[in-house]
Amino acid sequence: NAGVTQTPKFQVLKTGQSMTLQCAQDMNHNSMYWYRQDPGMGLRLIYYSASEGTTDKGEVPNGYNVSRLNKREFSLRLESAAPSQTSVYFCAIPLTSGTGLLNYGYTFGSGTRLTVV
Amino acid sequence: GENVEQHPSTLSVQEGDSAVIKCTYSDSASNYFPWYKQELGKRPQLIIDIRSNVGEKKDQRIAVTLNKTAKHFSLHITETQPEDSAVYFCAASQGNNDMRFGAGTRLTVKP
Repeated sequence: NAGVTQTPKFQVLKTGQSMTLQCAQDMNHNSMYWYRQDPGMGLRLIYYSASEGTTDKGEVPNGYNVSRLNKREFSLRLESAAPSQTSVYFCAIPLTSGTGLLNYGYTFGSGTRLTVV
Repeated sequence: GENVEQHPSTLSVQEGDSAVIKCTYSDSASNYFPWYKQELGKRPQLIIDIRSNVGEKKDQRIAVTLNKTAKHFSLHITETQPEDSAVYFCAASQGNNDMRFGAGTRLTVKP
């Protein structure tokens, strides 16, 4: 899927280590989102950014920080990783319909599989 | 906030049969209801969506129905094929920034 690029694809951390997940879009959207996916719990919103320079908490923000320094990039940081943060992380941006209008759906990045041991 | 419940959590059907997945939502202000399909190891992808001003929408073998009064919506897949095997997620929102997802349904289509 053109539009959203996530790095890295896989990461193993030790408890207490820090890391930053990167997300970049080339669709010039104002909004960007970070979700985590856990078995049996669907996708839960961690943080979102409605525009460059703004960020807001989602359902499960504890233990995370985000940064939206420019319109293209939205990063997610784990300052002190915990085993409970083992998950698959997805960045998302709004979908654009064929007419160029936003339709409220999302297109997701390829995901980052994070394991904290 | 919005709460979305999805049933069943697993569903197994024979190839050619129909499959139905149901979701309920709690916030009557929600007006957008997408369905995503996620194949193993892949990202979720939007397959169909419906807005609150429409009761039913169809796209080839998949359809979605919405009952606003009862606050539930369903995904219907007819003539299932092995490539329909995946995890399906429903979601509900009032706009872009408040999307809430169901827990997912793992659909297995047996050849």
